[in-house]
Amino acid sequence: AQTVTQSQPEMSVQEAETVTLSCTYDTSESDYYLFWYKQPPSRQMILVIRQEAYKQQNATENRFSVNFQKAAKSFSLKISDSQLGDAAMYFCAYRRNTDKLIFGTGTRLQVFP
Amino acid sequence: SAVISQKPSRDICQRGTSLTIQCQVDSQVTMMFWYRQQPGQSLTLIATANQGSEATYESGFVIDKFPISRPNLTFSTLTVSNMSPEDSSIYLCSVETPARNTEAFFGQGTRLTVV
Repeated sequence: AQTVTQSQPEMSVQEAETVTLSCTYDTSESDYYLFWYKQPPSRQMILVIRQEAYKQQNATENRFSVNFQKAAKSFSLKISDSQLGDAAMYFCAYRRNTDKLIFGTGTRLQVFP
Repeated sequence: SAVISQKPSRDICQRGTSLTIQCQVDSQVTMMFWYRQQPGQSLTLIATANQGSEATYESGFVIDKFPISRPNLTFSTLTVSNMSPEDSSIYLCSVETPARNTEAFFGQGTRLTVV
């Protein structure tokens, strides 16, 4: 069965600095998708970034980028120039094609001014 | 992306009662899902809401406890029945669109407290 592991329950970063959140997953599949979702106190899950496993190039979305290491089954999220509004729970998620999403346990990110 | 309206946003209910949560989308979607997020926990899929037929439930969830309806392509309800304090959670509706069927979009969630 597929599993997603986030080993950092909490992380903190100074405003304008860079922080990296870790995620590892376990699968025997070769074709799948990986996601990072952000959940602020408002509770709504917001898609931050996605990565297709068949793409070697790491996905980027403005200040957010990933380091996708397929062989190591690692999918970390880098947030550059951190802002106060980045403070939230961050969930890593995996899915094979249109199968159900499997979420990690989350990392709470605090941003200090 | 789809705009998802979930109601109510929060509620406090007495044990033994039932609560129905509504999820309305502004466009036709292919898939609708219901998740539970227990306090301090990650998201767990309850079921897939199928249009015009019975929902598909995940292991550990049953129709008698979480009846789900999906009468059309833009609307679904989840009922939490015979509630106990253990049902206190955030319940989230999620959808997928035809154009981006590998991405899930979420409603604002319903924070349920059972007393």
